[in-house]
Amino acid sequence: EVQLVESGGGLVQPGGSLRLSCAASGFTVFRNYMTWVRQAPGKGLEWVSTIYSGGSTYYADSVKGRFTISRDNSKNTLHLQMNNLSAEDTAVYYCAEGLHIVYFENWGQGTLVTVSS
Amino acid sequence: EIVLTQSPGTLSLSPGERATLSCRASQTFDYTYLAWYQQRPGQAPRLLIHDVSRRATGIPDRFSGSGSGTDFTLTISRLEPEDFAVYYCQHYDNSLWTFGQGTKVEIK
Repeated sequence: EVQLVESGGGLVQPGGSLRLSCAASGFTVFRNYMTWVRQAPGKGLEWVSTIYSGGSTYYADSVKGRFTISRDNSKNTLHLQMNNLSAEDTAVYYCAEGLHIVYFENWGQGTLVTVSS
Repeated sequence: EIVLTQSPGTLSLSPGERATLSCRASQTFDYTYLAWYQQRPGQAPRLLIHDVSRRATGIPDRFSGSGSGTDFTLTISRLEPEDFAVYYCQHYDNSLWTFGQGTKVEIK
C-alpha cells in the first residue's frame, strides 16, 4: 500500500526558510514522478514542483529560484527546500506521486506552512 | 499556458440527484491529459478520473468523465452523502501542471 507522510511544516517569518519532507512507503521514490502541490487557506490547488524519475526538476513560476525539490533515495524521502518565504507561500503543502507524468495518483495528508511575523 | 475554468462555482443538489460539472480549457489540447480529483473537507485530494474518462482504482462507477477539445465533464450519476465535496480538474502539458479553481457540490 502506498503511503506518503509529510513533515516539516510550521510557522516561519517572512524571508525565512523551511525544509519539508515526505516519507514514502509502498514504492520507491526514484522510480516515480514525485510532486508538491499546495493549497492556500480557503483556496484551490496549485502545482508547485515535480521531480522526474530521471532526476529532472520543474517548478511553478511563483516559486522558481526560491524552492528546490530533491529526493533521498536511501531514505525513500522527498524534500522541498523553501527559501525567501513570503506570506503568499502560506498553504498546506501536499506530497503526491504517480507512475504517469500526467496526473497524481496518491497524496499525503499535507503539512501546513505559515509565513508570518 | 492552458487555463482551466470550472463551472458552476457551487452546485446545490440533493442526495440521489445527478451532478454535472464542467471544465473548460482556454485552448484545445490533443492528448487525453485531463484528470479529476475530489477533495472532502479537511482531507487531501483523491484522484477520481484520469485520461479524461478512466476511473482510478477503487472509484465507484457512478463517477464518469467525458469530453474532448476544450470541454470536459465530470458526471456523478446519483449523489451519495460522501460525494458532497469540492472537485478539481487538472491538465498536463510540457512539464506544466494546472488545476481548475474547483466546483463545490453542496447539499441542497
